[in-house]
Amino acid sequence: DTEVTQTPKHLVMGMTNKKSLKCEQHMGHRAMYWYKQKAKKPPELMFVYSYEKLSINESVPSRFSPECPNSSLLNLHLHALQPEDSALYLCASSHSRTGRYDEQFFGPGTRLTVL
Amino acid sequence: AQRVTQPEKLLSVFKGAPVELKCNYSYSGSPELFWYVQYSRQRLQLLLRHISRESIKGFTADLNKGETSFHLKKPFAQEEDSAMYYCALGNSGGSNYKLTFGKGTLLTVNP
Repeated sequence: DTEVTQTPKHLVMGMTNKKSLKCEQHMGHRAMYWYKQKAKKPPELMFVYSYEKLSINESVPSRFSPECPNSSLLNLHLHALQPEDSALYLCASSHSRTGRYDEQFFGPGTRLTVL
Repeated sequence: AQRVTQPEKLLSVFKGAPVELKCNYSYSGSPELFWYVQYSRQRLQLLLRHISRESIKGFTADLNKGETSFHLKKPFAQEEDSAMYYCALGNSGGSNYKLTFGKGTLLTVNP
């Protein structure tokens, strides 16, 4: 399996809801990433996990809470989001985070709408 | 700080014409440069990286450290090249390694 999968494809939630985004890869990659992409903008890094440990948090608000339960799974827990958090959330993985020139493999994204 | 600049939001060429997508970067260390591409309704994927020095789908890119540029070129554009192209810069920060994307250039190849 050489793909990164993400569920759900689409998510609509209210500002008081709690939901989770899920990302999975079975390529043996040890680095996993969450990016946020607004319409017609480039992906912006949110979090990086390396060997299941959080190594980078790009000053993301605490209403976004990442979790890496094992080397294949990455979750993003959402709580009390704002309408401006509506975006495409991309997950990516790479062989390792410090390996030079490692290709990042991207998932198809979860389109999140916050009402 | 690391920064990537893609000066053209939109680029339109005719099939068979040469195409060049510009990318300039700002980084004080040893840069890693990539081009990622997103075709319509497909996921973001790597096109090429400067260390490989290879041609992918007819595209090449040369790192010019003097001009801090990594322009993407193809001598004869095809309609299937129409896509969003992102130049990306990886730092050499070890435990702080991250990829920074430029704003992207939407390439349209007209028949």
